[in-house]
Amino acid sequence: QVQLQESGPGLVKSSETLSLTCAVSGASISSYYWSWIRQPPGKGLEWIGYIYYSGSTNYNPSLKSRVTISVDTSKTQFSLKLSSVTAADTAVYYCARDHGAGYVDYWGQGTLVTVSS
Amino acid sequence: DIVMTQTPLSSPVTLGQPASISCRSSQSLVHSDGNTYLSWLQQRPGQPPRLLIYKVSSRFSGVPDRFSGSGAGTDFTLKISRVEVEDVGVYFCMQSTQFPRTFGQGTKLEI
Repeated sequence: QVQLQESGPGLVKSSETLSLTCAVSGASISSYYWSWIRQPPGKGLEWIGYIYYSGSTNYNPSLKSRVTISVDTSKTQFSLKLSSVTAADTAVYYCARDHGAGYVDYWGQGTLVTVSS
Repeated sequence: DIVMTQTPLSSPVTLGQPASISCRSSQSLVHSDGNTYLSWLQQRPGQPPRLLIYKVSSRFSGVPDRFSGSGAGTDFTLKISRVEVEDVGVYFCMQSTQFPRTFGQGTKLEI
């Protein structure tokens, strides 16, 4: 069974860089697309971007200047970096698998990241 | 970006009765490959989203057959034939036809 698990600091200071990692098990990372999606408390979902195992990426233009997604196939994990964070970046961050056939089929449990001033 | 608009935003339902949620996109979701990449997600309280329906009407593995999806172009519907207690939560539509992927605002289903 495909499982994803996010890890990283739960508190980040304003203007610093948010860094999260997603460990993948039960599936080869050398297929599919691997996504980051976030959800501010009590609000809706926002797609951040994804990476293919080859390293090609696609980012949400609204975040593109601040986002980097990378993949480590040897460790079967992928990562998110979001720079220059503000309070508006406070959210539950989910890693997920994008099937590549137009749907996101497996999600991690999510991790709350709070940006403090 | 394609804007996804769901109605209603909140839906009181009765156990055993049907429920329906609508999702409208600001542009056609028909991809150049001929597919329509519209999916439905369920988020139970305190849980991550869970895929229910993909490509408008295909049920994901393990999803009960009381859930069904329909629609075309810009108008889509998720139907629950008989609501059960475990169906309480927020439902999102999502389009994957165009980048960036975008979601509806969510519809809260409450008993």
